[in-house]
Amino acid sequence: AIQMTQSPSSLSASVGDRVTITCRASQGIRKDLAWYQEKPGKAPKLLIYYASNLQSGVPSRFSGSGSDTDFTLTITSLQPEDFATYYCLQDNSYPFTFGPGTKVDMK
Amino acid sequence: DVQLLESGGGLVQPGGSLRLSCAASGFMFSSYAMSWVRQAPGKGLEWVGFINGRGSTTYYADSLKGHFTISRDNSKNMLYLQMDSLRGEDAAVYFCAKYRGGFAGAGSFDVWGQGTLVTVSS
Repeated sequence: AIQMTQSPSSLSASVGDRVTITCRASQGIRKDLAWYQEKPGKAPKLLIYYASNLQSGVPSRFSGSGSDTDFTLTITSLQPEDFATYYCLQDNSYPFTFGPGTKVDMK
Repeated sequence: DVQLLESGGGLVQPGGSLRLSCAASGFMFSSYAMSWVRQAPGKGLEWVGFINGRGSTTYYADSLKGHFTISRDNSKNMLYLQMDSLRGEDAAVYFCAKYRGGFAGAGSFDVWGQGTLVTVSS
């Protein structure tokens, strides 16, 4: 199975900050990488698919980049509603695998 | 509106069985693959398994093969997760999720249900 790692595991930031989260796959996955936002008690929300495609309705402050094994999620100006946990997911091959998550909390 | 609604969660004893259901609406259900994803208390998201649109092909997380079974009834727009020989570590919120296409590499899961809680305890 493809292993996914994320860094950092957590970070503290302020409103308006630029935030960058990275995700690495144990083998090449082309661009078959998605980013999700998860808040307690709610369903995960798709932010980015195919590494860099913004899901409909997601604010443009979210962006994704990368291919093969290294990927990045960037939030250009953190908003209060963005404090959450972020997961990457590879859907290149079965079994699909999530990264362990990055918790973004308030500094 | 595209919607997924899970049901069937609850308290089950270790070694017991439970079947979860997911009712889909607002889209051509049979045209899309579906998955179950779970989240144990205080833990991250874990992909459980996948079924193609016709229901003819399934894939599972390595640790769950033979333990969980995914099926679907396209005539009823329903997705199912049969869970057998349940263990404490299976306690989680279980989500169903719609895949953007038919097979791997189609652009991930764009619609999720709200989840149903499974508790495993004697």
